[in-house]
Amino acid sequence: NAGVTQTPKFRILKIGQSMTLQCTQDMNHNYMYWYRQDPGMGLKLIYYSVGAGITDKGEVPNGYNVSRSTTEDFPLRLELAAPSQTSVYFCASSYDGGRRGDTQYFGPGTRLTVL
Amino acid sequence: TQLLEQSPQFLSIQEGENLTVYCNSSSVFSSLQWYRQEPGEGPVLLVTVVTGGEVKKLKRLTFQFGDARKDSSLHITAAQPGDTGLYLCAGESSGSARQLTFGSGTQLTVLP
Repeated sequence: NAGVTQTPKFRILKIGQSMTLQCTQDMNHNYMYWYRQDPGMGLKLIYYSVGAGITDKGEVPNGYNVSRSTTEDFPLRLELAAPSQTSVYFCASSYDGGRRGDTQYFGPGTRLTVL
Repeated sequence: TQLLEQSPQFLSIQEGENLTVYCNSSSVFSSLQWYRQEPGEGPVLLVTVVTGGEVKKLKRLTFQFGDARKDSSLHITAAQPGDTGLYLCAGESSGSARQLTFGSGTQLTVLP
């Protein structure tokens, strides 16, 4: 099992450009999550999905969009990149996020810089 | 919005010393998780505590969940350089899709 994989590992964008951060998991997990981590801060939830075709907003969804057409993939879309979106983005998955204490498995992250 | 305050933010100690990291909130959490994160990698779960007053031990690491399920602590005995890393606590909300609220982290450096 590769676990949770994310691409790209690094990316530099200009203000106003768009991009998609890819996330794939091969553990047949139902729940998937996108977080961002700013320097000196904890992770903040952007969007999550409880299954294919179902997504919902987290704490900081503005400026982002997601889709979940398959169980394996959960891409994060930035339409108009802004400097405030400079961050490290982590994708995570869990088998049953509705069960108390369910373990989330994190990908290695994508470091995004918007100039 | 639930908030988790983690302290200290930075900790630098000598090998063999003991340390405690604290995680506090005014909110009640369904469970409390501790993660460790290495540079350039995602967080990795160390432990989950779910019952108020619960204590879990993982070799030299001891985790405690407060009686009221609002706070937690991580105690490391005889720290080693391999313990160096960013330690994050995360409180789990209740509900059909449980969300994690993360603390800001404690950067631990253990010097040989």
